[in-house]
Amino acid sequence: QQPVQSPQAVILREGEDAVINCSSSKALYSVHWYRQKHGEAPVFLMILLKGGEQKGHDKISASFNEKKQQSSLYLTASQLSYSGTYFCASGGGNEKLTFGTGTRLTIIP
Amino acid sequence: DVKVTQSSRYLVKRTGEKVFLECVQDMDHENMFWYRQDPGLGLRLIYFSYDVKMKEKGDIPEGYSVSREKKERFSLILESASTNQTSMYLCASSYFYGYTFGSGTRLTVV
Repeated sequence: QQPVQSPQAVILREGEDAVINCSSSKALYSVHWYRQKHGEAPVFLMILLKGGEQKGHDKISASFNEKKQQSSLYLTASQLSYSGTYFCASGGGNEKLTFGTGTRLTIIP
Repeated sequence: DVKVTQSSRYLVKRTGEKVFLECVQDMDHENMFWYRQDPGLGLRLIYFSYDVKMKEKGDIPEGYSVSREKKERFSLILESASTNQTSMYLCASSYFYGYTFGSGTRLTVV
């Protein structure tokens, strides 16, 4: 079952914050986050495995709620380099991932 | 860094042709995957493999087959290409956490 992402698209000015949500109707084994820049391959950002987990690096972080049905990606003080399409993906125990439909993030100067 | 290489960046094929898309990874990963990416639909899993000569169907396997004769190579085969298989095809490999994707093959079937 494909995770649902919201919003589908967002436009921000440099320095603003963004939140991208990813939800599922059933508990997920894990959630991955990827970023894809235009014309490039998706790049792995992070994985969350445990309910209640939060992790991040630099100004990009993510959380996984206690029931493991929702994850959010937080981008703070956005930079031009953050532009791209962000995908969440739900993982089974066998590494197979089901990707969400993506959120297109555009950062303008 | 893990490198996943897809043999062609762009391909144009005729309807009915048999098409081979090749993918090679250089980090001894056991898991390899083929996805197609279409606007508004995200990435959809076609086939995946956990080991040599092993394959499993993903969500949209119809019209495709795969081959994994060596651990580092995973091939996607379009038995008889059709226009609805025009898409971006992405190969990926993984070991426990996180996928590494190849740069993709944009296939156009005319």
